[in-house]
Amino acid sequence: QVHLVESGGGVVQPGRSLRLSCAASGFTFSSYPMHWVRQAPGKGLEWVAVISSDERNKYLGDSVKGRFTNSRDDSKNTLYLQMNSLRPEDTAVYYCARDNPDSPGSLDYWGQGTLVTVAS
Amino acid sequence: DIVMTQSPDSLAVSLGERATINCKSSQSVLYSSNNKNYLAWFQQKPGQPPKLLIYWASTRESGVPNRFSGSGSGTDFTLTISSLQAEDVAVYYCQQHYSIPYTFGQGTKLEIK
Repeated sequence: QVHLVESGGGVVQPGRSLRLSCAASGFTFSSYPMHWVRQAPGKGLEWVAVISSDERNKYLGDSVKGRFTNSRDDSKNTLYLQMNSLRPEDTAVYYCARDNPDSPGSLDYWGQGTLVTVAS
Repeated sequence: DIVMTQSPDSLAVSLGERATINCKSSQSVLYSSNNKNYLAWFQQKPGQPPKLLIYWASTRESGVPNRFSGSGSGTDFTLTISSLQAEDVAVYYCQQHYSIPYTFGQGTKLEIK
């Protein structure tokens, strides 16, 4: 049974950093590209990042490029999102999601999300 | 970036009636080499993460009731719920995964009339 659990969220001041983690289980983590998607309170979904299964390809959305980095540790079955220079507009629930092997780029399993609040 | 626009923003339908949600992309998401539309639909209930309903524009994800169907090609797509059930109350999103950055529609809130 696929299980994704995000952690690391919290309240942080503007300009500071935070690292999110996503612990995966129930599937061969190292074989799948993984994504981050965020959702500001009461708003829609925004795709944030993807990392390939071999970690050679990483892509970020325009709104976080240059500030966020994504990585993975397959020995720990864990996905990471390092968030630097945080802004109030980064306030959101951050979800990790698995890439759908039947339709690459769509997302077949999601975690419950972790809330990041950027405020002074 | 490909812009995804859904209509309507909200929709109220009676139980047992048909619900139709539209999604339009600013450029085609049909990949000519495999003739597949890189378009997915998600359902999100309050306090829950999104759930994949449809991929390749019309393929139902395993376990999704067959009252949910997807159609369309190129730039215009539709999600149809043939007979609305109470548990279908949710926000529905389309997503293009044709090109990075992947983008979502703004969402359509579906309620019971």
